[in-house]
Amino acid sequence: GENVEQHPSTLSVQEGDSAVIKCTYSDSASNYFPWYKQELGKRPQLIIDIRSNVGEKKDQRIAVTLNKTAKHFSLHITETQPEDSAVYFCAASPHGSSNTGKLIFGQGTTLQVKP
Amino acid sequence: DSGVTQTPKHLITATGQRVTLRCSPRSGDLSVYWYQQSLDQGLQFLIQYYNGEERAKGNILERFSAQQFPDLHSELNLSSLELGDSALYFCASSVEPRDPVGYTFGSGTRLTVV
Repeated sequence: GENVEQHPSTLSVQEGDSAVIKCTYSDSASNYFPWYKQELGKRPQLIIDIRSNVGEKKDQRIAVTLNKTAKHFSLHITETQPEDSAVYFCAASPHGSSNTGKLIFGQGTTLQVKP
Repeated sequence: DSGVTQTPKHLITATGQRVTLRCSPRSGDLSVYWYQQSLDQGLQFLIQYYNGEERAKGNILERFSAQQFPDLHSELNLSSLELGDSALYFCASSVEPRDPVGYTFGSGTRLTVV
């Protein structure tokens, strides 16, 4: 079935260090991979996304890489700041015969950036 | 402000009761998605509507139902509530029914069943 696994579940880094979160998806026909940041009690907010025809995308301190062969994608945050502390979710859009824009989410990674 | 409006923000109710959550999509969006987020969990897809019609169903319990009205707002009805139904319920909207690119979430309804 459709599944997205996300690791690690928690990540603690020192301010200025890099953070990497990894996700693996099961549906090889998935073609869209967004990342969301969620602060406590707030709505998930899209921070970066990537299509399956692109291997890497960067936006300032945030980058996402996609390996279609291995069916995994990763979020990279460089020069982390305390305000980066939040829960991060990866997601995949199953496609193939699917007729829907639903997203399958990973379980989330709680990132703590220590000043 | 994402443009997706959810009401109420908070809801406290007793087991066995029925509640209705409301979502108004972003202007121009025809598709509405409902997600459930239990404590310390990821978001679970419940159901999608597009232009008034059910488009896709996830792991939605039989006690839950939804609909989308002609003005495109959607309601999620939860009945015979159990303690385990306590969660954040989010809706999201998009223009296209098959493409989640750019869709954004509302602020959610926090449901507490006591």
